[in-house]
Amino acid sequence: EPEVTQTPSHQVTQMGQEVILRCVPISNHLYFYWYRQILGQKVEFLVSFYNNEISEKSEIFDDQFSVERPDGSNFTLKIRSTKLEDSAMYFCASRPGRAGQGRWETQYFGPGTRLLVL
Amino acid sequence: DAKTTQPNSMESNEEEPVHLPCNHSTISGTDYIHWYRQLPSQGPEYVIHGLTSNVNNRMASLAIAEDRKSSTLILHRATLRDAAVYYCNRAPAGGYQKVTFGTGTKLQVIP
Repeated sequence: EPEVTQTPSHQVTQMGQEVILRCVPISNHLYFYWYRQILGQKVEFLVSFYNNEISEKSEIFDDQFSVERPDGSNFTLKIRSTKLEDSAMYFCASRPGRAGQGRWETQYFGPGTRLLVL
Repeated sequence: DAKTTQPNSMESNEEEPVHLPCNHSTISGTDYIHWYRQLPSQGPEYVIHGLTSNVNNRMASLAIAEDRKSSTLILHRATLRDAAVYYCNRAPAGGYQKVTFGTGTKLQVIP
């Protein structure tokens, strides 16, 4: 079965640095998402992306965050100036969104990128 | 606000059936019920979903109450690999459909 992939699996950065987390969603999927999970806490929605624009974002997704789908296959999350509290596991997800394409209402999650901000 | 209620934790013996309940009393008529699970140190993964009728797949069964205000995820024979946090989620058909994760039910499988 096709999978969502994410790179890197782990990233360590200094506070104030920019990081870019990369995701390759499943081909032909139309909806893309980022979530994060701080250690020991629940998974939190960050942003959804459809038709090359943000469709919904949470309060967490402030001006320090941005998303991009630069080339039709990658989906990136950028954090411009990382803070200690950005340390978390970041999950990318995609969804077919079109009836007739398998589980079209279901999100497929990647394995995550563990970000540690020092 | 996940708008669903689940027990914090449950235990099951290996190879026995497990019934994981979820209450979604404010569900609307067009909301789907999705179940995801998160194995330790992994991303969430889809388990099953349904609208009104009971559903079966290779992983589990989903029993939906007639009034749709609750549902039960059934693992027919729990294995150690089923130890995970199970999340029940309701989402409208179509739209952008973020998954709102609650705290879920942490299932412990006892060998």
